This record gives sequence, C-alpha cells and structure tokens, in this order.
Amino acid sequence: VQLVESGGGLVQPGGSLRLSCAASGFTFNNYWMHWVRQAPGKGLVWVSRINSDGSSTSYADSVKGRFTISRDNAKNTLYVQMSSLRPEDTAVYYCARSSGGMDVWGQGTTVTVSS
Amino acid sequence: SYELTQPLSVSVALGQTARITCGGDNIRSKNVHWFHQKPGQAPVLVIYRDTNRPSGIPERFSGSNSGNTATLTISRAQTGDEGDYYCQVWDSSPGVVFGGGTKLTVL
Repeated sequence: VQLVESGGGLVQPGGSLRLSCAASGFTFNNYWMHWVRQAPGKGLVWVSRINSDGSSTSYADSVKGRFTISRDNAKNTLYVQMSSLRPEDTAVYYCARSSGGMDVWGQGTTVTVSS
Repeated sequence: SYELTQPLSVSVALGQTARITCGGDNIRSKNVHWFHQKPGQAPVLVIYRDTNRPSGIPERFSGSNSGNTATLTISRAQTGDEGDYYCQVWDSSPGVVFGGGTKLTVL
C-alpha cells in the first residue's frame, strides 16, 4: 500500500502547479482521499478532500476558488490543480487515504512560491 | 469554524506515561484521530475513532474522548515516541480540522 506524490517545485506568485498522487497496493476507487499541507516549521493543515467516485469535493477556506481536487480512478491517481499561488501556499503537500482516519500518507512533495 | 486546542509541548520521563490533550467544544460528539510525526517524515495514524489502534501501533498507545477533551495516552514512553502529535476531527464545514500539534519530549 503506497502513495507517491509528485509535481512540486518552485513557482512564482500568481503561478500555477498541478500535484499528482499515485496510489498502489489497494483498490483506489474505494476510498476518499485528502490533500494536507505543512508549511515550514508549522503544523498540519487540511487542504481538500474528494469522495471515492469524484462526485463530491470540499476545500479549506484558504484555497477555495484557487485549488481544484480531482481523481482519475482508471489511473489510480489523485490530483490537485493549484492556481493564483501565494507565498503562504509554500509547504510540503501530502496526499492521504481516508479509512476511519487518514491511514496511509505519501512522503510529500514540496511547493515553494517565491519570486 | 470548529477549533482544536493542544498544548504546545509535553515532557515525560523515559518509561513513564505521557498524556496529550485535545480540547474542543463538545468534542465527545466527534470521532477523534491522532497522528504522530517525526522530523522530516510523513504523519502516522496512531489512534482512530477515539480509541482504536491501527495495525502495527503498540498497545502502549491509547485514546479516550469525553466532554470537551480527547486524550492520547502513551504508556512506558520510549525515545522513539518523541515528535509531534496532532489530533484531528471531521467538522461539517468545511471538512477536516487538525489541532495545532504537541511536541513530545522523552527525558
């Protein structure tokens, strides 16, 4: 059972980035999924979640209207499209599987928003 | 929006019992999950739905939830238990809430 994030990097304020989370070892389309982020030296902050078939999503107020979560169950992959990025979006972004609690986490991918 | 309050730090002597609290309005009505994070690593679920341990988590870890406080208890604390601990609940809007985190030090 594994989650592997990718797509992080350095982006200028106002720019866009798409993160991916590849799932393996379990039946991806049975699970809700989350994105959680952690700014340097700070705590965990929930970003977004999506239900198992992708028909329902929710977002933290801080990213609503700028981030879009999605999934491709045929490819066992979770995404988050991030636009209008701000310096305060700088963080390690984790994807996590939801089963009771968030029981499986990826290793994280780092997003840095800076000019 | 719903808020969870954790102490910034907790210290415990090696082999003794540590208790980390998570405060929230009528938190007993919610399912509380607990995570352990070591520096540079992803979080690990240690307790789910107040009292349940995932496979592979030692019995030394236990949870309770009553009134306005949920508690994570770590018995016979070891140096490997050091790190940050976070509580988490689901809220109606917008969804998921984490506590601010507690740094556990084993002396």
